[in-house]
Formats: sequence, structure tokens, C-alpha cells
Amino acid sequence: KAGVTQTPRYLIKTRGQQVTLSCSPISGHRSVSWYQQTPGQGLQFLFEYFSETQRNKGNFPGRFSGRQFSNSRSEMNVSTLELGDSALYLCASSLVPGTSYEQYFGPGTRLTVT
Amino acid sequence: AQSVTQLDSHVSVSEGTPVLLRCNYSSSYSPSLFWYVQHPNKGLQLLLKYTSAATLVKGINGFEAEFKKSETSFHLTKPSAHMSDAAEYFCVVSLNTGTASKLTFGTGTRLQVTL
Repeated sequence: KAGVTQTPRYLIKTRGQQVTLSCSPISGHRSVSWYQQTPGQGLQFLFEYFSETQRNKGNFPGRFSGRQFSNSRSEMNVSTLELGDSALYLCASSLVPGTSYEQYFGPGTRLTVT
Repeated sequence: AQSVTQLDSHVSVSEGTPVLLRCNYSSSYSPSLFWYVQHPNKGLQLLLKYTSAATLVKGINGFEAEFKKSETSFHLTKPSAHMSDAAEYFCVVSLNTGTASKLTFGTGTRLQVTL
């Protein structure tokens, strides 16, 4: 079974631009979560989607948004990029929400904002 | 609110010697606890998880962790380190609920394994 895939793997953007990252969960998984990893702040939860609905949201500004499609694929969008948005963005999928279900992580998208 | 504290940012051991990575947690509710490993340029992989069953949890690659409520600890151990264990390890806590999957990560412990 294929794992979680994230595209693109690497991205360079300029401050003020916007970016869209994509995540395809493991087949049959319906819950997708997003995390930001930076050297300074570590791994931080962004949001979680299930059945095309945002179920949970971390403490990030409104410039960070996401959505989930009917096939469970998810996208996250960051508008008006800032230098501090440079990070590894990780997507994780699980069968359904809930801590009884293991979250499987993708390899991440490394975003560099210049 | 929940949080985890990983007591060591860096641990160095010799190959074949025991590994101990320390983690303390704080949670208002009955927590679920996890250890994840991240190899360079790779995603995160679940090593083991505690969800209020047995307090001694066995994971992959010979790792295990013991949940100690009285000490609010969930330390990760392995009897004998291997070179391939060199990686970043994250202790993670989550609310034990069926409707949320928000994971709160510790700051990580980098494990170095020397010959």
C-alpha cells in the first residue's frame, strides 16, 4: 500500500506570494492532519480535516488555511508569505480521527521563503 | 492543555550499550502518549504508543517505554543501541478522545550512536 505522498517536495517562494501544498493520504484513510516543523518552534499542529470538514485547528494566523476533498486528499494554503513561514510542512493521515488510530506521516514539503 | 518535556536535547551512546531517552508529560486528562522517530530527510515514524492499556509498551526495532503516572514520565529505552538508531526522537502527547487527533510534540532528542 502506498504511503502518504506530499507534493511538491521542495518549494522556493518570495515574501508576499502565496503557496499551495498537496497531500494524498494512504488509501482508505479519511483523516488528514498538517504540521509545521521549524528549528526554532519544533513541530506544531496546524489543522486536521475529516470528511471535508476542519475538525481541529492549531494556533496559527488566518493566512494558513486548508481544505479536504471528497477523495480525502488535502491541500493547505499559505497566503502573503513571510520569511518565518520557511519550514518543513508535514502531512499525516489516519483511518479516522482519534488517538487510537496511528497517524502516518509523509516525507514533507520543504518551503523556503526568500 | 497538554505538553511534553524531553529532558535531553542530545544523547550520545556507544553501539551495543543501552539507550534511555527521557520524557515527562503534563495533561489535564488521561493522555495518549507516543514516541516517533525521524531519520534525516525522512518523515516521522511511530515507534510505539500508550493508550491506557499495559503500562509497559513494546514498539518496533527493540524499543520500549514505560508509562509511570506517579512520575508523569514516559521514558524510551532500548537494551542495545545500533548505528541505525541514530536519529531524532520525539515524545508526543494527545488528548485521549475519539474525536481529535491533535498531537503535541516535545522538542526532540537527537540520538548519536558511536562505534
